[in-house]
Amino acid sequence: AQKVTQAQTEISVVEKEDVTLDCVYETRDTTYYLFWYKQPPSGELVFLIRRNSFDEQNEISGRYSWNFQKSTSSFNFTITASQVVDSAVYFCALRQDTGRRALTFGSGTRLQVQP
Amino acid sequence: ETGVTQSPTHLIKTRGQQVTLRCSSQSGHNTVSWYQQALGQGPQFIFQYYREEENGRGNFPPRFSGLQFPNYSSELNVNALELDDSALYLCASSLGLGGSGELFFGEGSRLTVL
Repeated sequence: AQKVTQAQTEISVVEKEDVTLDCVYETRDTTYYLFWYKQPPSGELVFLIRRNSFDEQNEISGRYSWNFQKSTSSFNFTITASQVVDSAVYFCALRQDTGRRALTFGSGTRLQVQP
Repeated sequence: ETGVTQSPTHLIKTRGQQVTLRCSSQSGHNTVSWYQQALGQGPQFIFQYYREEENGRGNFPPRFSGLQFPNYSSELNVNALELDDSALYLCASSLGLGGSGELFFGEGSRLTVL
């Protein structure tokens, strides 16, 4: 069975602070994909990044960066110099490399960035 | 905007009733999946349709059923509604099967069961 754990339920920071959202996953598959999604109050899940299990390179996209460590089954997400517009719920998700594209989501981390 | 539209956006039903939710997938996408998101939780996979056939199902009872039409739009039907069915129902579309493809989500239909 697959499982994704986001232990941080809610994080509050002041604008311009850096913040890291933690994600730990469990799977028996050797090939899998990890995702981060952002969910603003409108409800739509906005895709942020996809990483496959064979690619452990860290990635940076503007103020966002991701740290994938297979040895600890973690896929953490850092926002540098946070902004009020970053306030949302962030979900980490896991998917097998099969025909069924079911995502297993964590319970989410609510990020509040105060001005 | 992802190009995935869902209707209705909000609805209220009473226990025991039936509901139909609709989803129009992004142009060219032939795979649609549905997720249920209870308040304060992550989305849970209900089922997926590929070229009008159900292609995978999560841990949901048979009273949750679906359809996919030749234009790849989809419906989620829930019979004999229960209070715990109150949730945001999210539809996602994608192209083909396989693990690497990105899912594009709609804004969801928020169902309240009284």
